[in-house]
Amino acid sequence: SQTIHQWPATLVQPVGSPLSLECTVEGTSNPNLYWYRQAAGRGLQLLFYSVGIGQISSEVPQNLSASRPQDRQFILSSKKLLLSDSGFYLCAWSRTSGDNTDTQYFGPGTRLTVL
Amino acid sequence: QKEVEQDPGPLSVPEGAIVSLNCTYSNSAFQYFMWYRQYSRKGPELLMYTYSSGNKEDGRFTAQVDKSSKYISLFIRDSQPSDSATYLCAMSGADSWGKLQFGAGTQVVVTP
Repeated sequence: SQTIHQWPATLVQPVGSPLSLECTVEGTSNPNLYWYRQAAGRGLQLLFYSVGIGQISSEVPQNLSASRPQDRQFILSSKKLLLSDSGFYLCAWSRTSGDNTDTQYFGPGTRLTVL
Repeated sequence: QKEVEQDPGPLSVPEGAIVSLNCTYSNSAFQYFMWYRQYSRKGPELLMYTYSSGNKEDGRFTAQVDKSSKYISLFIRDSQPSDSATYLCAMSGADSWGKLQFGAGTQVVVTP
């Protein structure tokens, strides 16, 4: 079966510090990968998605960047965090072939607080 | 106007009641419809997946899609306190390139 991991689970960082959040998927090959941010009491905002190694599409221009160095690894980064970067960050994956390729499966999330 | 509209609630029901949730959408190209459940401080988990119109039942959960009205519903029978969560609808179409459009989520509280 497939599993998705995210770490760290929680993070408190000062304004201006760098950020690196990691997501890994097990049990599948060549998944589509996604990064979302969920502000308190609000819906999911798609930040980045990737259809393959080194292929990143940005949905919202902002202070963040993403990279996919390996097939099942997705990293969200920032060089200098802003207060507005606080939120709940979710990684998700979907199949690229077979049934239900539109269904996305989410990780446990990382709660980021920027002070 | 958002592509997907969902009442944020909260929706409070007594234990054992039927929970009725719904979303409306504007993009007639949507044909894949999903419902996710999200507990507080956790990632969303997939509950139901429906393709095109019709009903789908899984245990206490029933998903309905009415494409002519651009309206989808989720019903939870015999609700339990453990059903207290936020429920998100999501949808996509052939032109979505693997991206989902989410509703804002409805918070459900089932009281014992």
